[in-house]
Amino acid sequence: GAGVSQSPSNKVTEKGKDVELRCDPISGHTALYWYRQSLGQGLEFLIYFQGNSAPDKSGLPSDRFSAERTGGSVSTLTIQRTQQEDSAVYLCASSFPTGRQHFGDGTRLSIL
Amino acid sequence: GIQVEQSPPDLILQEGANSTLRCNFSDSVNNLQWFHQNPWGQLINLFYIPSGTKQNGRLSATTVATERYSLLYISSSQTTDSGVYFCAGNQGGSEKLVFGKGTKLTVNP
Repeated sequence: GAGVSQSPSNKVTEKGKDVELRCDPISGHTALYWYRQSLGQGLEFLIYFQGNSAPDKSGLPSDRFSAERTGGSVSTLTIQRTQQEDSAVYLCASSFPTGRQHFGDGTRLSIL
Repeated sequence: GIQVEQSPPDLILQEGANSTLRCNFSDSVNNLQWFHQNPWGQLINLFYIPSGTKQNGRLSATTVATERYSLLYISSSQTTDSGVYFCAGNQGGSEKLVFGKGTKLTVNP
């Protein structure tokens, strides 16, 4: 597509449930990134993919968070047993290697 | 890891005014970028500027890599320039961008 596409745009779920967030990067971009932005805060790095490999997972806050990328394209971020502190906007970006990052519109996650 | 400081944290302007936003890094960075987050939350990449000066319409940016800072200039500001401006960069060997806390700009008509 023309830009980075994320779905769903909004997700409300109960504490303890699992959620899956999807990112479809710009066609041809081999690098894909997940970030998190809490209310009124800056952006916090979560994980980086180059192709289907994740050489940097250092930002994942706990083992409840995982991500995968298939076919060098779509990525899924999964949060298991959600907690209220997981509430945030989850942003995905893509780029050519070591290049200008382009962001999607994000998924606003609310944990009740 | 690197620290990114942005100043000022808040800025209020009248339409038509000019402004300069600053970004300081605690260590050398690569791939310095400036972003604008509009009031609807969309994050737009304004500049990829590891060094030198670039201009795009009313916006321009300058990065002095040897002194670890970057400046974003906004001329003849418009209400649509309102939002939060972030700078970000990464260190050699790491692909993750480290973001500053942003400068919140409000342009009044």
